[in-house]
Amino acid sequence: GESVGLHLPTLSVQEGDNSIINCAYSNSASDYFIWYKQESGKGPQFIIDIRSNMDKRQGQRVTVLLNKTVKHLSLQIAATQPGDSAVYFCAEVGNRDDKIIFGKGTRLHILP
Amino acid sequence: EAGVAQSPRYKIIEKRQSVAFWCNPISGHATLYWYQQILGQGPKLLIQFQNNGVVDDSQLPKDRFSAERLKGVDSTLKIQPAKLEDSAVYLCASSFSQYSGNTIYFGEGSWLTVV
Repeated sequence: GESVGLHLPTLSVQEGDNSIINCAYSNSASDYFIWYKQESGKGPQFIIDIRSNMDKRQGQRVTVLLNKTVKHLSLQIAATQPGDSAVYFCAEVGNRDDKIIFGKGTRLHILP
Repeated sequence: EAGVAQSPRYKIIEKRQSVAFWCNPISGHATLYWYQQILGQGPKLLIQFQNNGVVDDSQLPKDRFSAERLKGVDSTLKIQPAKLEDSAVYLCASSFSQYSGNTIYFGEGSWLTVV
């Protein structure tokens, strides 16, 4: 059955290092993927997106990689800063129903 | 540009009471979503509107939850009667259209505690 998800996976990274957050998506028909950042007490904030016809997209300090063969998505954050501390969610959008399905999230913890 | 506005931010009610949450999407956004986020989990879609019509309400517990967007702008989500398991953050979001590739913007959420 589905896990309750009370204990989010946590990634601890030294300030200044690069962070890599991984996500496995479920629907091979999904054609659009989004990464969201959610800080404590706030709603999810859009970070970066990628379409299924791409395998890499770069933003400011962030890069998203898509591997459709193994249905894997990753978010790379360069030179991690204290302000990057948050829960990161990947989301997939189906090409037929445009429903957005969120993953369970990963908590990024920045070590001083 | 103003973001998605939600109120109230926090609400504590007893089980079996009712509660209503209000959302004002970003101006010009035709699509409005209500999500439920239980602590430690990702948001789960409850209902999606395109203008004033419902696109998807398959995960809305219709025996106790209702939502409307009468004029295609603001929306209200109601829970009546509330159960303990309804304790969650209720997120409103909006996008320019419902089609894939349109960025979805979230509000700060309405935090509900049912005691």
